[in-house]
Amino acid sequence: GENVEQHPSTLSVQEGDSAVIKCTYSDSASNYFPWYKQELGKRPQLIIDIRSNVGEKKDQRIAVTLNKTAKHFSLHITETQPEDSAVYFCAASRPRSNYQLIWGAGTKLIIKP
Amino acid sequence: GAGVSQSPSNKVTEKGKDVELRCDPISGHTALYWYRQSLGQGLEFLIYFQGNSAPDKSGLPSDRFSAERTGGSVSTLTIQRTQQEDSAVYLCASRKFGQGAIGGYTFGSGTRLTVV
Repeated sequence: GENVEQHPSTLSVQEGDSAVIKCTYSDSASNYFPWYKQELGKRPQLIIDIRSNVGEKKDQRIAVTLNKTAKHFSLHITETQPEDSAVYFCAASRPRSNYQLIWGAGTKLIIKP
Repeated sequence: GAGVSQSPSNKVTEKGKDVELRCDPISGHTALYWYRQSLGQGLEFLIYFQGNSAPDKSGLPSDRFSAERTGGSVSTLTIQRTQQEDSAVYLCASRKFGQGAIGGYTFGSGTRLTVV
């Protein structure tokens, strides 16, 4: 069935270093890939997204890359800061089902001071 | 409104009681989703409404769960005969349909349900 695998489940990096979270999707017809950040006790919020007609998108310290052939996409955070600590969820659009998303299980990112 | 509004923000109920959770989506957003998030876990899809179409109820975990959306706006998620395993944060999200390419969801702050 349709699924999105997300790795790692937990990631601990030193402040200032880069963090990379990877997701793999199963259906090649998926064409939209958002990333959400959920701080402790807060709602998930969209931080960046990418559509299948581009391979990379950047917004300041965050970027997302998409490899359609391999069916995986990654979130890159550079120069990490304490406020980047959160759970990050990836998702892929669910084909043929009216704009639903299939969610990854989440990655807990810990920024060590 | 400016955002997705959910009420109540917290609900403590006794096992076996019924509860109703409310979601008021962003004005003009025709798509509405309910998710459940247990402590430290991911997002579990429950139900999806899109305009006047029949809702996608494929994620509802049992027949104790039901949801309505009146007038294409406010939605109510009802859990009957609550069980302790129903304890979780229930998140509502909405999005604007018909933009061509898919856009992101906007989530509400959730209702934290505790069944004692």
